[in-house]
Amino acid sequence: SQLAEENLWALSVHEGESVTVNCSYKTSITALQWYRQKSGEGPAQLILIRSNEREKRNGRLRATLDTSSQSSSLSITATRCEDTAVYFCATSGGNYKPTFGKGTSLVVHP
Amino acid sequence: DAGVTQTPRHEVAEKGQTIILKCEPVSGHNDLFWYRQTKIQGLELLSYFRSKSLMEDGGAFKDRFKAEMLNSSFSTLKIQPTEPKDSAVYLCASSLKGGEDTLYFGAGTRLSVL
Repeated sequence: SQLAEENLWALSVHEGESVTVNCSYKTSITALQWYRQKSGEGPAQLILIRSNEREKRNGRLRATLDTSSQSSSLSITATRCEDTAVYFCATSGGNYKPTFGKGTSLVVHP
Repeated sequence: DAGVTQTPRHEVAEKGQTIILKCEPVSGHNDLFWYRQTKIQGLELLSYFRSKSLMEDGGAFKDRFKAEMLNSSFSTLKIQPTEPKDSAVYLCASSLKGGEDTLYFGAGTRLSVL
């Protein structure tokens, strides 16, 4: 069974809008990472948030972590066409093996 | 710094063939991962090495999949014999300290088995 999963298969927004991708997980974690994968490329990390952190920012990106509800969110403000990609959350629980969700496909329309 | 390099980018194999995929991790990274990516299953861990030692061999993938790390700067994934259901993108990633740290992925090898 998937230990980490995003809550939506696909999202669609227009440029300039904000969007949030959510992730839930099932085990105790030490860190959660958000990755983005563009077509034809490998995933690239956006944000790493540790279990003792509640929020992390990286430019237009903001990640939150709620360990009590075992959930995380990634928000993107002022979206651009180049944000079109698949977004994954990945959890680590101290065994050093990150577990990836199946991803949410985001399309940003001009 | 050079990122993770995977070769070839594309591979086409006949059913029953043996194929070898190659990966060069980021210099200085201790951990190396092999993942299989499909739309249905997402990213599935095949193998995990820490300082060249095999820590995880992927359970269900053990019988036909074998990953090796010949030295700290080179790894291979052998699939023998290939089956059509092996058609997928195979990703290699490296990091300084496993899942507690950033994973740097290669661009992947797209395998098609006919």
